[in-house]
Amino acid sequence: SQKIEQNSEALNIQEGKTATLTCNYTNYSPAYLQWYRQDPGRGPVFLLLIRENEKEKRKERLKVTFDTTLKQSLFHITASQPADSATYLCALDMSDGQNFVFGPGTRLSVLP
Amino acid sequence: DTAVSQTPKYLVTQMGNDKSIKCEQNLGHDTMYWYKQDSKKFLKIMFSYNNKELIINETVPNRFSPKSPDKAHLNLHINSLELGDSAVYFCASSQDVRGGGDTQYFGPGTRLTVL
Repeated sequence: SQKIEQNSEALNIQEGKTATLTCNYTNYSPAYLQWYRQDPGRGPVFLLLIRENEKEKRKERLKVTFDTTLKQSLFHITASQPADSATYLCALDMSDGQNFVFGPGTRLSVLP
Repeated sequence: DTAVSQTPKYLVTQMGNDKSIKCEQNLGHDTMYWYKQDSKKFLKIMFSYNNKELIINETVPNRFSPKSPDKAHLNLHINSLELGDSAVYFCASSQDVRGGGDTQYFGPGTRLTVL
């Protein structure tokens, strides 16, 4: 059966450390993988998109990797700050325009 | 200017009632969506419209009916509300879903509570 998972429901790290969030999927073939941030009471906000033929993408303190063999994406936030505390969602984009699937999210708390 | 707006933000109603949620986007996008986020925070797509035409209709009860008067608006009408319909409903838009790789812009959400 098809499944998308994010490694943990909640993750606590100390300010200044690197946060690493994991997204795994089975029985999907996404052409793209996207990461979104969701704050309480708000809609998700797009952060990064990576294509299936890309290994890594960076944007400021954010880095995403995509391994289609392992069926996994890693999302890193370096030099984390309390303001990075939020829920982070990965989303599979199937490219046929018919299917866009979100993971359950990881709630990140960066402790001062 | 708000890119994707929804009204109302909160909706509390009795079981059996009919209600509507409105959504508007001013981004000039061709595709709009409705998502449901339940108490476990899972965000699931319900409908997708491209230029006023339905292109995705996931398995949702037919009590839910999307209506798109023009490509900037996608409203969600719900008949005979049930307790299990309580959730946060998000509207979103993207430039063009076909071909993939589009980012989605979400509205602020409508928290529906059915009593």
